[in-house]
Amino acid sequence: GESVGLHLPTLSVQEGDNSIINCAYSNSASDYFIWYKQESGKGPQFIIDIRSNMDKRQGQRVTVLLNKTVKHLSLQIAATQPGDSAVYFCAEHRGGSEKLVFGKGTKLTVNP
Amino acid sequence: GAGVSQSPRYKVAKRGQDVALRCDPISGHVSLFWYQQALGQGPEFLTYFQNEAQLDKSGLPSDRFFAERPEGSVSTLKIQRTQQEDSAVYLCASSLARRSYGYTFGSGTRLTVV
Repeated sequence: GESVGLHLPTLSVQEGDNSIINCAYSNSASDYFIWYKQESGKGPQFIIDIRSNMDKRQGQRVTVLLNKTVKHLSLQIAATQPGDSAVYFCAEHRGGSEKLVFGKGTKLTVNP
Repeated sequence: GAGVSQSPRYKVAKRGQDVALRCDPISGHVSLFWYQQALGQGPEFLTYFQNEAQLDKSGLPSDRFFAERPEGSVSTLKIQRTQQEDSAVYLCASSLARRSYGYTFGSGTRLTVV
């Protein structure tokens, strides 16, 4: 069945530390991946994306790594801040459809 | 408006009642999506519109669910004869173009069926 899963449901870090959130995907035909951040009571917010022909992409304080060999995606957040506390979802796009398939999410808690 | 607007923010329905959820996408956005998010889960795709055309409704869980976008802007998701398992947050998202997947989500409508 469809599945984009996450290794850890929760992650707790200290302010200033780097955070790494992992995601495993199941469909090797997926061509595009996105990380979303969702705060309580809000819709998912786009963070960063990566196409399947890339291994790494960097944004402001965030980096996404894609390992197609093991079908693994990670989001790295540098110098994590309390405002980064949220649930993070990876999502994949599969060719032939317009929809995104989301994982279950990882709840990130940043301790001051 | 500046973002995707959904109304109402909260809806409590008695089992068997019909509900209608509204989505106002960002002006000019061609693509519009509806997702359902159960508590503690990731969003799940329901349906997709390109302008007024509903191109994919494969995620609608039953024939009680119906969506429309008659003029290619505002969309309505209707659920007939609501059941308790319909309780969830219903998210709408829009994007400027086809195949632009970093779309903008609204804050959702939380539906509780009692």
